[in-house]
Amino acid sequence: AQSVSQHNHHVILSEAASLELGCNYSYGGTVNLFWYVQYPGQHLQLLLKYFSGDPLVKGIKGFEAEFIKSKFSFNLRKPSVQWSDTAEYFCAVNPSGTYKYIFGTGTRLKVLA
Amino acid sequence: EPEVTQTPSHQVTQMGQEVILRCVPISNHLYFYWYRQILGQKVEFLVSFYNNEISEKSEIFDDQFSVERPDGSNFTLKIRSTKLEDSAMYFCASSGGAGPSTDTQYFGPGTRLTVL
Repeated sequence: AQSVSQHNHHVILSEAASLELGCNYSYGGTVNLFWYVQYPGQHLQLLLKYFSGDPLVKGIKGFEAEFIKSKFSFNLRKPSVQWSDTAEYFCAVNPSGTYKYIFGTGTRLKVLA
Repeated sequence: EPEVTQTPSHQVTQMGQEVILRCVPISNHLYFYWYRQILGQKVEFLVSFYNNEISEKSEIFDDQFSVERPDGSNFTLKIRSTKLEDSAMYFCASSGGAGPSTDTQYFGPGTRLTVL
C-alpha cells in the first residue's frame, strides 16, 4: 500500500540549531512531493513543493528539501531554526495521475528560545 | 492572499443525525477535495470533485458520504447518518491546474466534527 513515513514525531531544538525532518514514501511511480506546516491554531500552509526539475527545492522562511529518488525520500531542512518555527510539519505525496495526497503522521517541532 | 474557508469551525451532533460541512474554495480553482484527520491519526483523503462529478474517492468515502457544489462558490460534504467514528477534523482543499497532479492543493482551516 502507498504510505508516507515521518520518523520523527516530536523534535525539540534550541534557536539557531539546524533542522532536518525525514520523510520517506512507498510508491514506485512518479510523484509530486510537498511539505506543509501547521502553526498553532492555524491551517495547513504550503511550505514547499517538488513537481520536477532540480531535486533541491527552496521554500518559504528559509526551508529547503531534497528529493532523493533512489531513497524515496524528501527530507526537510533549515540551517538555523527560530522560535517562530514551532509548528507541526507534514510531508505529503501525490502519486502522479491521481488527485489524492497521502500524508505522513506529522512532526511536532518545538523551538526553545 | 486568497484562502479556502470552512464553516462551522466546530460542529457537535448526535449519532444518527445528518451533518453538512461547508467550504468556500479559492475563487478561480476548479478542483475540490475533502480530507479528514481522526485525532492522533494521519490526514486521510476522502474525495476529489471536478466539473460536478467525483473524480476520485477513497474506500472511506462510502454511501454515507456525499459531496455537492450547490452554487458557484460553496462546496459541501454531507454525512447522512453520523457514527461515533466520524468524529474527526475535516479539511477542505482546492486547486487549479488541468487535471490530477498538475497543481498544488490549498487547505482550509478545518471543521472539527464531534459525534456524541
